[in-house]
Amino acid sequence: DQQVKQNSPSLSVQEGRISILNCDYTNSMFDYFLWYKKYPAEGPTFLISISSIKDKNEDGRFTVFLNKSAKHLSLHIVPSQPGDSAVYFCAALRYGGSQGNLIFGKGTKLSVKP
Amino acid sequence: DAGVTQSPTHLIKTRGQQVTLRCSPKSGHDTVSWYQQALGQGPQFIFQYYEEEERQRGNFPDRFSGHQFPNYSSELNVNALLLGDSALYLCASSFQGNYGYTFGSGTRLTVV
Repeated sequence: DQQVKQNSPSLSVQEGRISILNCDYTNSMFDYFLWYKKYPAEGPTFLISISSIKDKNEDGRFTVFLNKSAKHLSLHIVPSQPGDSAVYFCAALRYGGSQGNLIFGKGTKLSVKP
Repeated sequence: DAGVTQSPTHLIKTRGQQVTLRCSPKSGHDTVSWYQQALGQGPQFIFQYYEEEERQRGNFPDRFSGHQFPNYSSELNVNALLLGDSALYLCASSFQGNYGYTFGSGTRLTVV
């Protein structure tokens, strides 16, 4: 029973264009969502997060959108750069973000081509 | 400022053996969580340690156990290894269990 789903295993985008990575969740008790980026042979690195009381959070080239009614969130990267090529994991937290554990999706491998 | 340090980086064990993985949290962090990442999957929560006690546990059998030391470092022990235990084991630290997790690079365990 997968509570966090990333249905696209891979995504290829041209440099300078927008990358949109999608994530769906099933548990309405999740109240905090995070995106992590992972390069080979490295641990996941925190990218951006959003609380369930918001519908958008922006940090430089990265924006996360949350649609609670659809239980869907997306990560937008604009403009995409070759260095953004990595595996992106969506993760969700229960219990208000404290004493919680991260529930991860399977990840989406983003390739940004020059 | 050192991040999360895990050792060893790789190891190979035989089915039925026992293994111990180690983690030193980021400076200032007091909570350690362990995750298992199988090939092609996202990380799966094993357990979390805070104040030297297991505070939360995921859906893993008792063969998986852990420990946290007074200096906040932690060990993950796996007994009676199965082939299916082959995975990348990630340690994440945070301050008082809040969501500001910092991950280590992981230990790649191969069971043959």
